[in-house]
Amino acid sequence: GENVEQHPSTLSVQEGDSAVIKCTYSDSASNYFPWYKQELGKRPQLIIDIRSNVGEKKDQRIAVTLNKTAKHFSLHITETQPEDSAVYFCAASATDTGRRALTFGSGTRLQVQP
Amino acid sequence: NAGVMQNPRHLVRRRGQEARLRCSPMKGHSHVYWYRQLPEEGLKFMVYLQKENIIDESGMPKERFSAEFPKEGPSILRIQQVVRGDSAAYFCASSPSGFSGNTIYFGEGSWLTVV
Repeated sequence: GENVEQHPSTLSVQEGDSAVIKCTYSDSASNYFPWYKQELGKRPQLIIDIRSNVGEKKDQRIAVTLNKTAKHFSLHITETQPEDSAVYFCAASATDTGRRALTFGSGTRLQVQP
Repeated sequence: NAGVMQNPRHLVRRRGQEARLRCSPMKGHSHVYWYRQLPEEGLKFMVYLQKENIIDESGMPKERFSAEFPKEGPSILRIQQVVRGDSAAYFCASSPSGFSGNTIYFGEGSWLTVV
């Protein structure tokens, strides 16, 4: 089955700096890669996603890049703010096969220092 | 448009009791997923269901756990004879039917504590 690895497990940055979180996946059939943000005691919330037919997607301060050849994708947050502090999860799924359920990475705890 | 609804939000059970967690998907969604999250850990896939059909239960423990999504009513995750290690947050998510790359939306979770 799919295996998603995520790094780093913790990340501390100064307010205003950029944060980058990286994920790799194992199943070449995976074609959908969302990112979720989870605050303490809350549900995971989708912040951005990318499909395999594009290499990059941006939404204001958040961007995601995908390298299908290398099987890795990354989340970039620019001009970080304290409210960006949370746990971030990457995920992958192969929606064209029977396996539509998302496989998640282990999470990155991002701490933005004011 | 209500989101994914889960209840109860918090549940306390003694060892050996049964826990039933309910999930109503978003309106128009016919695919339901259950995930378990242990404290300070990631989201582990348990089961993927459509109405009256289990599509993928590869993440379900072989014993004590079962799930259903009947034609009418919510999806139910049932844990029999609970043990302390079952204490976790159980998240349900849903997505629309059909095509590739559909986003899944999570409910607020059900926090199970086994004492």
